[in-house]
Amino acid sequence: DQQVKQNSPSLSVQEGRISILNCDYTNSMFDYFLWYKKYPAEGPTFLISISSIKDKNEDGRFTVFLNKSAKHLSLHIVPSQPGDSAVYFCAASGTPGANNLFFGTGTRLTVIP
Amino acid sequence: GAVVSQHPSRVICKSGTSVKIECRSLDFQATTMFWYRQFPKKSLMLMATSNEGSKATYEQGVEKDKFLINHASLTLSTLTVTSAHPEDSSFYICSAIVTGGLGYTFGSGTRLTVV
Repeated sequence: DQQVKQNSPSLSVQEGRISILNCDYTNSMFDYFLWYKKYPAEGPTFLISISSIKDKNEDGRFTVFLNKSAKHLSLHIVPSQPGDSAVYFCAASGTPGANNLFFGTGTRLTVIP
Repeated sequence: GAVVSQHPSRVICKSGTSVKIECRSLDFQATTMFWYRQFPKKSLMLMATSNEGSKATYEQGVEKDKFLINHASLTLSTLTVTSAHPEDSSFYICSAIVTGGLGYTFGSGTRLTVV
């Protein structure tokens, strides 16, 4: 069964506005969460991460929020830029560097100029 | 939902031996499977794309004789690391496109340690 879910396969946002990508997980043992960005014909590139002891982590235009009680995390991109157009994956693991990394199915973000 | 089962999750092998990693699609047919290797900054490098019944397409810089990929059926793709060396130690993960435009599904990864 899919332990990490991204229920929106696609999202379109106007340039300059906020993009919010959502991710839900079912395994309460997950302790570490990551977001990846993927351009066509390339491997997913690490973007930002958060451990379960935090509820927010910010890096420039990217902020990840974690709601452990709801088993939900989100990635906010603000302001969105056309170069942000890509597929975004969330992933979860037990601990940083753990053997198993569980990915969501991805959300395709299109930022409209 | 579409699930890819990857085995083993962890393997330790001696230098010079070969290791086979399997990725199996459990409830859908994966005509295309991608194999990635994770590097220290956590990004995944695409190693090769395998298509059922044909030869895999390797990315530049990936040794096809070292990383043998077989995609003999619509539900199984394997990656064999031949004559493994310590520098091959890494996290390997497979992925498949879910039919119907539903995105990608990933295996849970294999941590390979070559001693």
